[in-house]
Amino acid sequence: KAGVTQTPRYLIKTRGQQVTLSCSPISGHRSVSWYQQTPGQGLQFLFEYFSETQRNKGNFPGRFSGRQFSNSRSEMNVSTLELGDSALYLCASRRGDNTEAFFGQGTRLTVV
Amino acid sequence: AQSVAQPEDQVNVAEGNPLTVKCTYSVSGNPYLFWYVQYPNRGLQFLLKYITGDNLVKGSYGFEAEFNKSQTSFHLKKPSALVSDSALYFCAVRGRDGNKLVFGAGTILRVKS
Repeated sequence: KAGVTQTPRYLIKTRGQQVTLSCSPISGHRSVSWYQQTPGQGLQFLFEYFSETQRNKGNFPGRFSGRQFSNSRSEMNVSTLELGDSALYLCASRRGDNTEAFFGQGTRLTVV
Repeated sequence: AQSVAQPEDQVNVAEGNPLTVKCTYSVSGNPYLFWYVQYPNRGLQFLLKYITGDNLVKGSYGFEAEFNKSQTSFHLKKPSALVSDSALYFCAVRGRDGNKLVFGAGTILRVKS
């Protein structure tokens, strides 16, 4: 079956712009989480959505937001981009609370 | 608060030798524990998990991990390393009352032929 799909794979944006990243979870998975990966901070949790509701949020500024649609697809948005937002953004989906998360290939965002 | 420690930035082993990648965790209550592997410019691939039951968990590609509650450890092991096992390995924990994964800093595994 198809895995977690993230689009686009690569993005280059200018400081001050905004960006939207997309994630399609594995069919039947209702939980979608987002993580930021940087060399300095490692893997950090952004937020998790379940049935279109945000269940948990990490310690990121309000410029980072997300949503989930009725088909479980999710988007995250970063507004007023800063150089420090350059990172690999990973989306993960899982079927239930006691199951493993499956990750997409990520979106590599570069802010110049 | 949950936390994960991977004390070794890098582990070097010779092909054919056993390997161990260490992980210790801190979480309230009983944990869900996971190992993931990441190859360059790729996402994370799931290797194995501990939810409940046997302390020795077997996963993909011949990897296994042992859950030790008293030592709060979940070390990743493989009896015979392959060059293709060279990658970045992450240990992660999720509390039973939470929905987020907390990752360790990662350990680079280098297997030399």
